[in-house]
Amino acid sequence: GENVEQHPSTLSVQEGDSAVIKCTYSDSASNYFPWYKQELGKRPQLIIDIRSNVGEKKDQRIAVTLNKTAKHFSLHITETQPEDSAVYFCAAIKAGSGSARQLTFGSGTQLTVLP
Amino acid sequence: GAVVSQHPSWVICKSGTSVKIECRSLDFQATTMFWYRQFPKQSLMLMATSNEGSKATYEQGVEKDKFLINHASLTLSTLTVTSAHPEDSSFYICSAPVGGNEQFFGPGTRLTVL
Repeated sequence: GENVEQHPSTLSVQEGDSAVIKCTYSDSASNYFPWYKQELGKRPQLIIDIRSNVGEKKDQRIAVTLNKTAKHFSLHITETQPEDSAVYFCAAIKAGSGSARQLTFGSGTQLTVLP
Repeated sequence: GAVVSQHPSWVICKSGTSVKIECRSLDFQATTMFWYRQFPKQSLMLMATSNEGSKATYEQGVEKDKFLINHASLTLSTLTVTSAHPEDSSFYICSAPVGGNEQFFGPGTRLTVL
């Protein structure tokens, strides 16, 4: 099955700096890679996603890049703000049969933006 | 976007009792729902896939007789933790896929077993 590795596990940055979180996946058939932000005690919220036919996607201060050959994808947050502090999870859709495919999550990154 | 609700949001129970958690898709139909468990400072781990009108599919290491799943309608899946023990204390989250890839998560249920 799919295996997703994520690093770093913790990341502290100064407000205004950029943050980068990296993930690798194992199943070359995976083709959908979402990123979630989770605040303590709350549900994961989708912040950006990318499909395997695209190499980069940007939404305001957030961008994701995908390297299919190397099987890794990264989240970039620019001009970080204290409200960006949360746990971020990468994920990959596990390839398989059926119309609904399973998400495999990375281990998470605790991002702290220092004021 | 699509809305998924869960009930209860938190529950405290005594060891040995059973607890039922409901997951509902409020504005769409979900033939499949997923159940995750999240321990403190850890990632979401898929427990099982709930299939409307058929048996759930459990991930390796998840006891199907302990975590009973029923997907009786296109908008409701339930997870029953039977004979709960303190080690079952966790954050349980359901999700439902929309359009094949994107998934919408419920708000989660915090289970504490005394």
